[in-house]
Amino acid sequence: DIQMTQSPPSLSASLGETISIECLASEGIYSNLAWYQQKPGKSPQLLIYGASSLQDGVPSRFSGSGSGTQFSLKISSMQPEDEADYFCQQSYKFPLTFGSGTKLEIK
Amino acid sequence: QVTLKESGPGILQPSQTLSLTCTFSGFSLSTYGMGVGWIRQPSGKGLEWLANIWWDDDKYYNPSLKNRLTISKDTSNNQAFLKITNVDTADTATYYCARPLTTAVDYWGQGVMVTVSS
Repeated sequence: DIQMTQSPPSLSASLGETISIECLASEGIYSNLAWYQQKPGKSPQLLIYGASSLQDGVPSRFSGSGSGTQFSLKISSMQPEDEADYFCQQSYKFPLTFGSGTKLEIK
Repeated sequence: QVTLKESGPGILQPSQTLSLTCTFSGFSLSTYGMGVGWIRQPSGKGLEWLANIWWDDDKYYNPSLKNRLTISKDTSNNQAFLKITNVDTADTATYYCARPLTTAVDYWGQGVMVTVSS
């Protein structure tokens, strides 16, 4: 199985701050990576697919980058509604696997 | 508009079989490229992919659950199903059905909580 190592596990940011979350794949996955946001009691919502493509309706302050084994999600200018858990997921090979998540809180 | 909704028993006892139903709209499993998947999440923990079924009846399972999983579909009624045999407390989780694409999962259901307890 492809292991997805996500960091940091938790993050505290001030409003307006730019933050980054990293995801490292145990083997190359090209650009087959997605990022999801999950708020308490809700299902995950797709933010980024194909490592860097923004899902329709997602604010442009979210961006994704990377290929191969190293990926990152950037939130430019943290907003109150961005407080949530974030997960990466590889779709290169079955079984599909997720990162362990990053809890993003407002400082 | 794509929607998915899960239904299940809520609570069941160890060793029983968990049967879940996903009822969806806004797409068809008779359409080329379409699929439905199941993903679960224990409370306060991460996401675990379980299985996918595709328009052509191709199926993929998570080998970590060995042979306990069976995914199926009813194309006419826009439903997909997941059975997990011989459940135990480790299967307690929120179960999501979702629409998988080649590079991501673009729509998720609201999830159904399942508790395994004696």
